[in-house]
Amino acid sequence: GENVEQHPSTLSVQEGDSAVIKCTYSDSASNYFPWYKQELGKGPQLIIDIRSNVGEKKDQRIAVTLNKTAKHFSLHITETQPEDSAVYFCAAHREYGNKLVFGAGTILRVKS
Amino acid sequence: DSGVTQTPKHLITATGQRVTLRCSPRSGDLSVYWYQQSLDQGLQFLIQYYNGEERAKGNILERFSAQQFPDLHSELNLSSLELGDSALYFCASSVEARGTYGYTFGSGTRLTVV
Repeated sequence: GENVEQHPSTLSVQEGDSAVIKCTYSDSASNYFPWYKQELGKGPQLIIDIRSNVGEKKDQRIAVTLNKTAKHFSLHITETQPEDSAVYFCAAHREYGNKLVFGAGTILRVKS
Repeated sequence: DSGVTQTPKHLITATGQRVTLRCSPRSGDLSVYWYQQSLDQGLQFLIQYYNGEERAKGNILERFSAQQFPDLHSELNLSSLELGDSALYFCASSVEARGTYGYTFGSGTRLTVV
């Protein structure tokens, strides 16, 4: 089955700096890669996603890149703000599969 | 508000007891997924239902069971509870069976077994 590894497990950055979280997946048949943000006491919320026919996608300060050959994808947050502090999860969905497989999560702390 | 409603928000119960967690999916979504989130294990997939039928099973214990009703709400039943079952339980929904348009998560039920 699919396995998703996520790094780092914790990340501290200064407000205004960039943050990068990386994930690798094992199943080359995976074709959908969402990122979720989970704030304290809340459920994960979809913030951006990318499909395997696209190499990069941007939405304001966040972007996701996908390298299908290397089977890894990354979340980039620029100009970080204190409200970006949360746990971020990557996930992969296998084509013709039924479920998302999540990475272990990254705790992002933005220091002001 | 994500549109996925989970009740109760908090539940404290004793070992050996049985509890039922409830989830109402977002309007129009036919698929419901249950995930368990423990401190050190991230989001673990338990089970999926689509339009009333079980579609996929993950690492769900035999002491746990679920169902989806005709009105599409779902219930997760946990029995013979153990201390290790303490966790956050999330329900998510999606419009189709394969979830390839992403999931919408509820705010979770925090279960504490004492």
